[in-house]
Amino acid sequence: RKEVEQDPGPFNVPEGATVAFNCTYSNSASQSFFWYRQDCRKEPKLLMSVYSSGNEDGRFTAQLNRASQYISLLIRDSKLSDSATYLCVVIPGSSNTGKLIFGQGTTLQVKP
Amino acid sequence: GAVVSQHPSWVICKSGTSVKIECRSLDFQATTMFWYRQFPKQSLMLMATSNEGSKATYEQGVEKDKFLINHASLTLSTLTVTSAHPEDSSFYICSARDARGIRNTEAFFGQGTRLTVV
Repeated sequence: RKEVEQDPGPFNVPEGATVAFNCTYSNSASQSFFWYRQDCRKEPKLLMSVYSSGNEDGRFTAQLNRASQYISLLIRDSKLSDSATYLCVVIPGSSNTGKLIFGQGTTLQVKP
Repeated sequence: GAVVSQHPSWVICKSGTSVKIECRSLDFQATTMFWYRQFPKQSLMLMATSNEGSKATYEQGVEKDKFLINHASLTLSTLTVTSAHPEDSSFYICSARDARGIRNTEAFFGQGTRLTVV
């Protein structure tokens, strides 16, 4: 089983739609979770951290479910510029080594 | 956010030659640097973790004699792909973090290096 699993998609949605991605992780001791965005042939950029209480940043909402070991990302009112690959990232274990484990990524294509 | 500079951004080399990739943290001290590799349509795969002044820790399946990592200072780490072959063609990307201070969790990425071995 992969440490971090995502549905690769692609998710094709019209502008203005709401879309949600899920990601599961295998290490129950993991403490830190993130969503990164990666545009084609570019480096990943941090989109948002995922806290136990969930967090929201504009049109983006991230949630953590420790019992089921999954995290989610919700994008409301999709824009064309949201088209990218969204990477679920976990720092495994309880030690703060900073080693990031990436999911395969979920590709989002927002169409006009 | 903090700035990490990776050089070169792309390189084409002949099979059998070695290629060095540099990763610099420009405005912070990187106590730890990570090297990833990404093949097309696949996830970033961690190759190794290096801490300043000590030997790198390689992930399972990564040949340490082929991928030489040096992290001699708090602002520079290098990855050398020795005797490169076409199957080493990939997108190599570094990330750096400072394990001290309040931002000790977030890692910042370099721009990546696209290596093509012909």
